[in-house]
Amino acid sequence: TQLLEQSPQFLSIQEGENLTVYCNSSSVFSSLQWYRQEPGEGPVLLVTVVTGGEVKKLKRLTFQFGDARKDSSLHITAAQTGDTGLYLCAGADQETSGSRLTFGEGTQLTVNP
Amino acid sequence: NAGVMQNPRHLVRRRGQEARLRCSPMKGHSHVYWYRQLPEEGLKFMVYLQKENIIDESGMPKERFSAEFPKEGPSILRIQQVVRGDSAAYFCASSPSVPANTGELFFGEGSRLTVL
Repeated sequence: TQLLEQSPQFLSIQEGENLTVYCNSSSVFSSLQWYRQEPGEGPVLLVTVVTGGEVKKLKRLTFQFGDARKDSSLHITAAQTGDTGLYLCAGADQETSGSRLTFGEGTQLTVNP
Repeated sequence: NAGVMQNPRHLVRRRGQEARLRCSPMKGHSHVYWYRQLPEEGLKFMVYLQKENIIDESGMPKERFSAEFPKEGPSILRIQQVVRGDSAAYFCASSPSVPANTGELFFGEGSRLTVL
């Protein structure tokens, strides 16, 4: 059974601060996605990383996939209140070619004004 | 993700009743996935379907749960004789006809089932 562990589980920071969220596993994934979920809504895809060592930037968000494709991180620069939400990482299973995602339990981020 | 339509958004059932949750995938998508999110937990895979076929149901409970995706109409997740432990948010997702190995999914807004 593949597992993804996210840390921290909860994070409360002030607007303007930087933060990093981690997603770790002992399993290798063919790809890894980051989603953001707001209360009462479904997860929204932020980014997909495929290649070991890959770094992708989305405005103030920087995503990195570990060299061994077992872990990932999400770094937010100068956080804004609009960044508040539940951040989920999800790994695609190599054997099932991505048809089944394994999700971490999420990091609940609160950015205070 | 607004293209994946789920209904009802909220459903209340008493123990022992049946719950039916419907999902219409994004236009052009023929692959549907159901995930369950229990309170304070992440999403757990339940089942993966293509039109008229169940491809992977390894995450489905062995009893009371079933899913279908008929040739015409939405995908349906059916829960018979619901119990309080079935209370959760059920999310449907879809992917294009030829899913990439990246496994990107587009989620609906979920159906929240409450069992009294």
